Amino acid sequence: GEDVEQSLFLSVREGDSSVINCTYTDSSSTYLYWYKQEPGAGLQLLTYIFSNMDMKQDQRLTVLLNKKDKHLSLRIADTQTGDSAIYFCAESTTGGFKTIFGAGTRLFVKA
Amino acid sequence: SQTIHQWPATLVQPVGSPLSLECTVEGTSNPNLYWYRQAAGRGLQLLFYSVGIGQISSEVPQNLSASRPQDRQFILSSKKLLLSDSGFYLCAWSQKDRVSYGYTFGSGTRLTVV
Repeated sequence: GEDVEQSLFLSVREGDSSVINCTYTDSSSTYLYWYKQEPGAGLQLLTYIFSNMDMKQDQRLTVLLNKKDKHLSLRIADTQTGDSAIYFCAESTTGGFKTIFGAGTRLFVKA
Repeated sequence: SQTIHQWPATLVQPVGSPLSLECTVEGTSNPNLYWYRQAAGRGLQLLFYSVGIGQISSEVPQNLSASRPQDRQFILSSKKLLLSDSGFYLCAWSQKDRVSYGYTFGSGTRLTVV
């Protein structure tokens, strides 16, 4: 079945770049997403990328997609302490009524 | 604008007691609705989804059930809670014709079964 995998933890220093990686198995994925979850809260959609794109940039966020390797990454430039959260990778097929989420990567930002 | 309300925010219930969590969406019609559970330190587990009133699909067999009595209302229930039902429950909605918009999540309910 479909699966999305991510590393569980990442620790960076304030001001450095963070790169969170994700792999997925469903080759028919149409949309790939990154969500952010702050402590005790629901998930917020950060950004998405359509499967026919290689890269998408949105201010400090850069999403890279390698469709051949089914690998997705999220780069956060100039990481701030406010970026500390859990980041979820997710994939969806056309129709989109079922989205598969990874287990989430907990990002620690050290001042 | 669309909003999603989920309550209560926290709940402590004894084993064997019933459960009812409610979720309502405003500002949209005919949404897809979802219930997820997030266990401590783990990812999101899809419990139920609904594409319309009275239409419920269950992803994981368990002692939970879901109902959608109105277009924008989604209820998660249990007749008898188990210790293993503890977790963070999230309701979400999505638009049928806007896959790129992803899901909008509620603020979650922290359930502790004691």
